[in-house]
Amino acid sequence: SQKIEQNSEALNIQEGKTATLTCNYTNYSPAYLQWYRQDPGRGPVFLLLIRENEKEKRKERLKVTFDTTLKQSLFHITASQPADSATYLCARPNSGGYQKVTFGTGTKLQVIP
Amino acid sequence: EAGVTQFPSHSVIEKGQTVTLRCDPISGHDNLYWYRRVMGKEIKFLLHFVKESKQDESGMPNNRFLAERTGGTYSTLKVQPAELEDSGVYFCASSQYNSETQYFGPGTRLLVL
Repeated sequence: SQKIEQNSEALNIQEGKTATLTCNYTNYSPAYLQWYRQDPGRGPVFLLLIRENEKEKRKERLKVTFDTTLKQSLFHITASQPADSATYLCARPNSGGYQKVTFGTGTKLQVIP
Repeated sequence: EAGVTQFPSHSVIEKGQTVTLRCDPISGHDNLYWYRRVMGKEIKFLLHFVKESKQDESGMPNNRFLAERTGGTYSTLKVQPAELEDSGVYFCASSQYNSETQYFGPGTRLLVL
């Protein structure tokens, strides 16, 4: 089966620092990986998608990498702010149906002022 | 533009009762998905509609769950009869045809007592 693992359940960092979240996958490399943000009582909100042939993608203070050798994606938030505190989810598509995705359990980020 | 909406936001029922959840996708989105998150676990795929057709229902737990999308607009997910292990948060998401980006609703929190 295709699994997504986000090893850190929680991560606390100081405001202004860079937060780095890790997502590891098993089996074959997916065509893409997605990162979502989820706030308490809300549904996930799509942030970024990175394709297999892309090493890195950026969006404002966010940066995502995709390393097919390590079978890993890293999600960075630079100059972190308390408003960035949320749970961040990694997701991959399943084979045979690219729109069916498998989610990781998420990493809860707390940015301390 | 209105996002994905779900009704009700919360539901508390007794074991053996029936509950129907509703999802209204973003207008024009052909793809509609149902997901579920049970306590302490990751968000898991239940099924995927393309317009009114079930594209993939491999994640449906058992025949107590019935999803419909008559007319290809809103969708309902009925649980009958509900069991204790059905408790969790049920999310609906929608996307445009051939798009990997899914937009999630706020979820319905179901508690079966």
